[in-house]
Amino acid sequence: AQSVTQPDIHITVSEGASLELRCNYSYGATPYLFWYVQSPGQGLQLLLKYFSGDTLVQGIKGFEAEFKRSQSSFNLRKPSVHWSDAAEYFCAVGASGTYKYIFGTGTRLKVLA
Amino acid sequence: DVKVTQSSRYLVKRTGEKVFLECVQDMDHENMFWYRQDPGLGLRLIYFSYDVKMKEKGDIPEGYSVSREKKERFSLILESASTNQTSMYLCASFERSGGAYGYTFGSGTRLTVV
Repeated sequence: AQSVTQPDIHITVSEGASLELRCNYSYGATPYLFWYVQSPGQGLQLLLKYFSGDTLVQGIKGFEAEFKRSQSSFNLRKPSVHWSDAAEYFCAVGASGTYKYIFGTGTRLKVLA
Repeated sequence: DVKVTQSSRYLVKRTGEKVFLECVQDMDHENMFWYRQDPGLGLRLIYFSYDVKMKEKGDIPEGYSVSREKKERFSLILESASTNQTSMYLCASFERSGGAYGYTFGSGTRLTVV
């Protein structure tokens, strides 16, 4: 079955610390992978996406993600977290020719001053 | 900048009312979606539309209907609102080609049914 798993429901980090949010997927076709961020009371904003090519992708706000096919993972990273990064983060998977994505259940990030 | 606009940020409705949630996109996209977001459940697809007057059920269509009379507008209808429909509703449209491939979401409508 196709699925996306974000194993961490909540993560708390100190401002300035590094961050890694985990995403694992199960998908039959070659996946298109996405990370979205949702600030409180807002819709989802695209951080980055991976279709093919270089497995390390850069996104907005200093985020990056690495696609590891052997581990079926697409983890999101940031070297130094800012207080404004506190939000909920969603991983999603789709494929060429389909517009129905599968979303993970989200990871809520708290940033300590 | 491309935009998906949801007409209401917050709504409070009574049980049994008919509720309309409106969504407009300015990108000329064919595909539009309604998702429901609940804590711990992520985003669940209610309905989507791939063309004017065309619609398909998503994963949780029960209690909902949709209308797409014009390409830019996609409405979600709660025929008789119930308290278990209290949720955040997200509209999205979909770009099928090029560098902008993917979803663009609206800001969401938080609906409370009392």
